[in-house]
Amino acid sequence: QSALTQPASVSGSPGQSITISCAGASGDIYNYDSVSWYQQHPDKAPKLMVYDVTKRPSGVSSRFSGSKSVNAASLTISGLQTDDEADYYCSVFTDNYITVFGSGTKVTVL
Amino acid sequence: EVQLVETGGGVMHPGGSLRLSCVVSGFTVNTNYMNWVRQAPGKGLEWVSMIHRDGNTYYADSVKGRFVVSRDQNSNTLFLQMSSLRAEDTAVYYCSTTTGEFWGQGTLVTVSS
Repeated sequence: QSALTQPASVSGSPGQSITISCAGASGDIYNYDSVSWYQQHPDKAPKLMVYDVTKRPSGVSSRFSGSKSVNAASLTISGLQTDDEADYYCSVFTDNYITVFGSGTKVTVL
Repeated sequence: EVQLVETGGGVMHPGGSLRLSCVVSGFTVNTNYMNWVRQAPGKGLEWVSMIHRDGNTYYADSVKGRFVVSRDQNSNTLFLQMSSLRAEDTAVYYCSTTTGEFWGQGTLVTVSS
């Protein structure tokens, strides 16, 4: 299973919305409902932000939302805040019990 | 409160062995799917291994045949036995639930001659 492809970096100004994409090889993202998104600040453990494509764990801001199209999954951060500056990773949990992570996206708040 | 605490990291020579532990509190380790995930310095997340509720184990190709995941119900601990270590195994190793909801703080493994 190849790593999922994410843009290396995405930036936005405070208050703006940004979207991070996550593409699988041969459109295989479309086949999975177990898409998750993680936020990771420097030297910290990853934090689950979205799971099962669109669901948010308790305590995660509604500014974070997930979606999926035929070829890619996406994480949208609305009302960008300085604390949103971090690395973001998508992942899928496959039918053969393998977790595949995306390549990671560095979000910069300008 | 759920807590996962990894220990056992350190500096090892290539070819050496090391066992990582992840002590879990707040839920029972053998009733959950549990992952080991690693992150090389300055790099992204890489899934390493999973142990299913039923005890079946799964591994990334990069560690298959060298790493073994196990768990102990009595101590509620997840383990990762690493052998034939290589420089490319250098990373922070995290234990987590497969759902991703809970993660430990990570333990650093450095493989260097």
